[in-house]
Formats: sequence, structure tokens, C-alpha cells
Amino acid sequence: DQQVKQNSPSLSVQEGRISILNCDYTNSMFDYFLWYKKYPAEGPTFLISISSIKDKNEDGRFTVFLNKSAKHLSLHIVPSQPGDSAVYFCAASAFTWAGSYQLTFGKGTKLSVIP
Amino acid sequence: DVKVTQSSRYLVKRTGEKVFLECVQDMDHENMFWYRQDPGLGLRLIYFSYDVKMKEKGDIPEGYSVSREKKERFSLILESASTNQTSMYLCASRGPGGTGELFFGEGSRLTVL
Repeated sequence: DQQVKQNSPSLSVQEGRISILNCDYTNSMFDYFLWYKKYPAEGPTFLISISSIKDKNEDGRFTVFLNKSAKHLSLHIVPSQPGDSAVYFCAASAFTWAGSYQLTFGKGTKLSVIP
Repeated sequence: DVKVTQSSRYLVKRTGEKVFLECVQDMDHENMFWYRQDPGLGLRLIYFSYDVKMKEKGDIPEGYSVSREKKERFSLILESASTNQTSMYLCASRGPGGTGELFFGEGSRLTVL
């Protein structure tokens, strides 16, 4: 059962416009959410995060919104740039029986920003 | 900056061979992880370790084992490689605390023929 879902495998956006990447989750125990960005042949890099006690976090061109009642979060990139073209993974964190926090990842959304 | 180094960026192995993937982190992190990434399947956790000589199975441990003899080093072992283990393997580490943020290595692309 997939606990973190990114229902759009790909997204194409014109340069300068807004990119909106969506993520849904099912586990109400998740209390921290992260977005990672991955270029081909490289490891994922952390982009932005949000705690479950907040509904918005902003960092430059990147904003993450969290709607706990809907179990939905989204990443907004404004304005989109060609260098933003990458695969974006949504991840959710919960404390586990093993005594540590574990991340559960979505399947990713490939963003293409067209010049 | 945290640095997670994976020993091999690209490997080609034959079916049945034993494969070692090494990972070293330089930030004294307790937690280390091995993921594999496949198109359309995202990142799937194979094994993780929260201390030296400790290991826990992730979501897809079958066909893999791990070793954590030193805090900075976490190895992934494929005892007998198979073609369905062709994948991108990603090592990650994380320090104490509750944010769950992982620091990833650059990945090891394994092809099993």
C-alpha cells in the first residue's frame, strides 16, 4: 500500500511560469514532510521541508503548502527555470518502532521546464 | 557540508557474481540507509542501520545483505546478483534528531548481465 503518492509522473511548464507538484499521503502519523530534487546520475538533494504544525514554508522561489485535513502537500516553484528540470520526490517522516525516524518516498514527478 | 561517498559510480556484473557496494559518510551520523531507485517506482528502502553492527530490513531486503562494522561505513552486498537487481543504488546518512532529512551519495549504477 503506497503511503505517499505522487500521481503525476511528469509535468511540463514554460519557463517563467509556476510549477505545482502535488503529493498525497495516507498515514496520519507522518509529522514532517520533505521535497528532494534529483538530476540524472546524481543522488537526491534536499530542497525544502515542512513540519506538520505549519501550513506553509517558503524558501526563495520554492514554497511548500501542507493541508493536513486533506493529507495533501504541494510544492510551488515560481518562476520556473530550465535548471529546475529534474525529478522531484515527496517524502514523509514518521517515528517508527525501531526508535528512529523513517522517510517514505513517493514515486517522483519529472519536471521539464521549457525555455 | 555532509559528504556521503559511494565507492563506484558505475558497475557491470554478471549474473551470479557477488557484488559489494561501499558507502562512507564523514559526519559521524548514526543512521545510514541503502535505497534503490527504479523508473516509476521511486526510492525504495532496502536496509538501514542506526548503529554499528545494527541493521534493520527495509521494504525490499530480499536478495541483499548489509554490513556496518564501523560507524562511517555501510556496505550493501548482493550475494548472487540477478538481472532484476539492475538499478541505481543510493546510500544515505542522517544524524540524530527528528527532521528525517537524509543526505545522499551520488549513487551507484549497477548493471547485471
